[in-house]
Amino acid sequence: GAVVSQHPSRVICKSGTSVKIECRSLDFQATTMFWYRQFPKQSLMLMATSNEGSKATYEQGVEKDKFLINHASLTLSTLTVTSAHPEDSSFYICSAREGQGRPEQYFGPGTRLTVT
Amino acid sequence: AQSVTQLDSHVSVSEGTPVLLRCNYSSSYSPSLFWYVQHPNKGLQLLLKYTSAATLVKGINGFEAEFKKSETSFHLTKPSAHMSDAAEYFCVFSSGAGSYQLTFGKGTKLSVIP
Repeated sequence: GAVVSQHPSRVICKSGTSVKIECRSLDFQATTMFWYRQFPKQSLMLMATSNEGSKATYEQGVEKDKFLINHASLTLSTLTVTSAHPEDSSFYICSAREGQGRPEQYFGPGTRLTVT
Repeated sequence: AQSVTQLDSHVSVSEGTPVLLRCNYSSSYSPSLFWYVQHPNKGLQLLLKYTSAATLVKGINGFEAEFKKSETSFHLTKPSAHMSDAAEYFCVFSSGAGSYQLTFGKGTKLSVIP
């Protein structure tokens, strides 16, 4: 149980275009989902926390107009990187928390974004 | 301030020998602590968790960790390393309050020598 999927696993896009990444909880309802960014050989950096039906909470330094997050249902959150630039190239990982009172998060397999 | 420190950035062991990955935490509250493993270009998999129940926690793939409040430690161990254990390991902390955000250690890369 507690499986989280991400799509696509890899995406290449041109500078100035937008790309959407989907995160789905497959066998549980996720009241809260999280989006992380991971640079090579580094730990995960939390970008934003997303609660179903409400606006995402962004971490300091993360541009909310550039990284649009939508959590429209209890099993789906999306991250849209708008007007992508090469410096946005990274490994993006989502996670989901199953419910209140349970701190552990279940992670998706990640999406490798390359902006050319 | 709440934080988690992984004491070794890289650990190398021979196949069949014990594994010890060290983690210390700093918290004003009773923490929840986790160990996650990440294989190259993959997401994170939960190995085990401590959430204020038994201090010795058994996880998947033969790993276990012991919560020691007096030493503020949560070290990860395995009696006998396997080649498939080679990966990046993250010690992760949650204060258990509010949004349950996770604080990640910097990671320890485990290499297993045949």
